[in-house]
Amino acid sequence: ETGVTQTPRHLVMGMTNKKSLKCEQHLGHNAMYWYKQSAKKPLELMFVYNFKEQTENNSVPSRFSPECPNSSHLFLHLHTLQPEDSALYLCASSQKTGGANTGELFFGEGSRLTVL
Amino acid sequence: GQQLNQSPQSMFIQEGEDVSMNCTSSSIFNTWLWYKQDPGEGPVLLIALYKAGELTSNGRLTAQFGITRKDSFLNISASIPSDVGIYFCAGQLWGSNYKLTFGKGTLLTVNP
Repeated sequence: ETGVTQTPRHLVMGMTNKKSLKCEQHLGHNAMYWYKQSAKKPLELMFVYNFKEQTENNSVPSRFSPECPNSSHLFLHLHTLQPEDSALYLCASSQKTGGANTGELFFGEGSRLTVL
Repeated sequence: GQQLNQSPQSMFIQEGEDVSMNCTSSSIFNTWLWYKQDPGEGPVLLIALYKAGELTSNGRLTAQFGITRKDSFLNISASIPSDVGIYFCAGQLWGSNYKLTFGKGTLLTVNP
């Protein structure tokens, strides 16, 4: 138990569906992240939120839409995805100190997404 | 963009053996971190290194921040079956929005 909970753990969707991934952290952290993990590739940073404000969008296609209503919750809204978007989506949190996002990330267990 | 070269890609060892893996970069980093990912789980932080030349241990794990700030290694002594998983290195450069750059990972298999 890392203190970061992701739901659902598994999701299968068609290319025309709209679905959402949810992340909740119970650590009191003020920064939250979405990462994409594909086979044989490094973890790819997608979005960063600091104090509920998006501070990083790593050139992510608009079919992925993040939402951070408060510092404990993070969503990733999905629509009209492509099969190549199938991957493990990881949420993480950290404590921003002294103006820096520490690299000490706490990850959730991930949401395994399959796009048919 | 920055890239980390992590090696080896995979290792098959016998229980009790020592393991060594490393990461190199053409760019300098201010922080090096090592994570482990168990099957079906998210990565978990093992060791964080903040100073060039720093050597840090966490139980049977030892990691070092290279003096040039362009490399780091992780050693595991007396491996046990629960060491199985994927080990990732990550570098962080201050001032670059503090983003982490991850290696591709080393898959470790330990035969009992």
